[in-house]
Amino acid sequence: GAGVSQSPSNKVTEKGKDVELRCDPISGHTALYWYRQSLGQGLEFLIYFQGNSAPDKSGLPSDRFSAERTGGSVSTLTIQRTQQEDSAVYLCASNTKPLEQFFGPGTRLTVL
Amino acid sequence: AQTVTQSQPEMSVQEAETVTLSCTYDTSESDYYLFWYKQPPSRQMILVIRQEAYKQQNATENRFSVNFQKAAKSFSLKISDSQLGDAAMYFCARGYGGNNRKLIWGLGTSLAVNP
Repeated sequence: GAGVSQSPSNKVTEKGKDVELRCDPISGHTALYWYRQSLGQGLEFLIYFQGNSAPDKSGLPSDRFSAERTGGSVSTLTIQRTQQEDSAVYLCASNTKPLEQFFGPGTRLTVL
Repeated sequence: AQTVTQSQPEMSVQEAETVTLSCTYDTSESDYYLFWYKQPPSRQMILVIRQEAYKQQNATENRFSVNFQKAAKSFSLKISDSQLGDAAMYFCARGYGGNNRKLIWGLGTSLAVNP
C-alpha cells in the first residue's frame, strides 16, 4: 500500500501569512506524529495523535502552531502569522505499534 | 535535559569497508528503546535498526549492527560492506513517554560512501 504522503512538497510564504501543511498517514495507522527539522538541528517533536484520545501537544513551540486530525486519518498542521524562524522541513509519521514510525517525505517551508 | 548526542557531524567510508557511527544519550529511565534512522536526500526517514535497553544482545539487521553499552549510555551503529546506497544522514533517537511513542533525536551524522 501507499506510504505516508505530505503536501505540498515545498511551500514558500511571506512573513505573517498563515500556512497549512497536510499529512495523509498510512491507511489503518492509528497514531500520527508531526516533527520539525530545522537546518543543523535534529528532529523536534511537535504533536502526537493516537486514535480518539486527546492529542499530545507538548512539543508545539507557540500558540501560532496548531494541528488537527479529521476522522482519525488526514492531519493538517497550521502555522499562523509565520515567522522566519519557522522555516524548516516539517515531517509527518504514522504507525500502529509504537516501535517503528513510518515517515513521509516532508514539507520544506520557507518563510521570506 | 535528556539528550542524544552524535559527535560526528560527517563521516566517510570506502565502498565495501566498515564504518561505525557514534551515539551517546542521557536518561534516567531503566527501560527504553534506541533507534537508528537513515534519511537519504529524498528526506524520507527510514528505520535502520532498534534496540531495547533491557536486552543485552546487540541488534543486527543484515549489514547493520549496533554496539549497545548500557552503562556507558552508548549506542553505536556499524555498517559492514558499505554500499553507495548507504550514503545518507543517520540519526540516533531514544524513545520516551508511554510505550516509547515519542522520540528524542540526535543532530545526525552525514555519511559519504566513496567508490
